[in-house]
Amino acid sequence: QVQFVQSGAEVKKPGASVKVSCKASGYSFTTYVMHWVRQAPGQRLEWMGWINAGNGNTKYSQNFQGRVAITRDTSATTVYMELRSLRSEDTAVYYCARENGPFDYWGQGTLVTVSS
Amino acid sequence: DIVMTQSPDSLAVSLGERATINCKSSQSVFYSSTNKNYLAWYQQKPGQPPKVLIYWASTRESGVPDRFSGSGSGTDFTLTISSLQAEDVAVYYCQQYYFTPQAFGQGTKLEIK
Repeated sequence: QVQFVQSGAEVKKPGASVKVSCKASGYSFTTYVMHWVRQAPGQRLEWMGWINAGNGNTKYSQNFQGRVAITRDTSATTVYMELRSLRSEDTAVYYCARENGPFDYWGQGTLVTVSS
Repeated sequence: DIVMTQSPDSLAVSLGERATINCKSSQSVFYSSTNKNYLAWYQQKPGQPPKVLIYWASTRESGVPDRFSGSGSGTDFTLTISSLQAEDVAVYYCQQYYFTPQAFGQGTKLEIK
């Protein structure tokens, strides 16, 4: 069955970087586009970007002004999301999700807390 | 960017009654070449990721109870729960997946009256 397992919770200081992983299983990894979506406390879901797991092409939300990078390792069937220059407003749960028209499968979420 | 606006922000409905949630997009998400509306509905329970209920505006995801239905076209869409059950308490989001960024509505919190 399709499954995504994300890395564990992180606590970071302002200005630091975080890299969250999302391990895929149960389907042909390179066939789909993968997205990252975050949810700050009490806020709506916010799209961050996507990666074509086949060719590695990416597209990012302008809201992150070059702070985000999404990569993948096809041999490990894993996608990564790195967010740099963290600030307190980046405290959120970060999700990976598979695109199949809508987002049909999601990871369990990774809480990233940014605090001094 | 396209903006998705849901109404109401919260809703309290008695068990067995109908619940209706609306979603409006700032631009049409209907693509004439495919004759499809690129609109999905998700259900999110506390501590869980969103779960897709409806896609192409009105197609129910496999395994989703038939009390959930979606309707609408272009810019105006509706999610209807025909007979509310206790397990339907959740936050519901609409999402357009026609444009990048794939924007979500602000969410509607559904509770039992």
